[in-house]
Amino acid sequence: KAGVTQTPRYLIKTRGQQVTLSCSPISGHRSVSWYQQTPGQGLQFLFEYFSETQRNKGNFPGRFSGRQFSNSRSEMNVSTLELGDSALYLCASSLDPTGQRGETQYFGPGTRLLVL
Amino acid sequence: AQKITQTQPGMFVQEKEAVTLDCTYDTSDPSYGLFWYKQPSSGEMIFLIYQGSYDQQNATEGRYSLNFQKARKSANLVISASQLGDSAMYFCAMKEKTSYDKVIFGPGTSLSVIP
Repeated sequence: KAGVTQTPRYLIKTRGQQVTLSCSPISGHRSVSWYQQTPGQGLQFLFEYFSETQRNKGNFPGRFSGRQFSNSRSEMNVSTLELGDSALYLCASSLDPTGQRGETQYFGPGTRLLVL
Repeated sequence: AQKITQTQPGMFVQEKEAVTLDCTYDTSDPSYGLFWYKQPSSGEMIFLIYQGSYDQQNATEGRYSLNFQKARKSANLVISASQLGDSAMYFCAMKEKTSYDKVIFGPGTSLSVIP
């Protein structure tokens, strides 16, 4: 079974631009979560989607948004990029987050975003 | 509020030796899950082991075992017979049942295995 895939793997943008990152979950997984990883702040939760609905949101400004499609694929968008948005953006999927064992999240390889 | 503490920023271990990575957590939710992930320099997060708050026995997965002490809110990872490929960042993480799929991560421990 294929793992979580993320595109693109690397991205360079300039301040003020916007960017869209894509995530395809493991087949059959319905929950997709996004995380931002930086050396200073570590791993921070951005948001989680389940059945096309955002169920959880982290403490990020409104410039960060996302959506999920009917096939569970997800995109996240960052508008008006700032230098501090440079980070590794990780996507994770799980089968059923409300399952008895809490269902493990499996991560993709990430997208490295550099904002100049 | 959820919080994960990993007090060891960096650790060294001799190849073939065992090593324990510390993790303490804080939550008011009686139902939660604890995870350990490994992140090599390539960046991908690799799931290692899971422990549920109601699990009676400590979790084990191959060379990985989780020393779960619920009363102390401690979930230490034990890696037996360390290998050079174990050199990586290790993250302890927690998910409360009421938070769906929101996972909170600790700051991580950098493990270096010495030949």
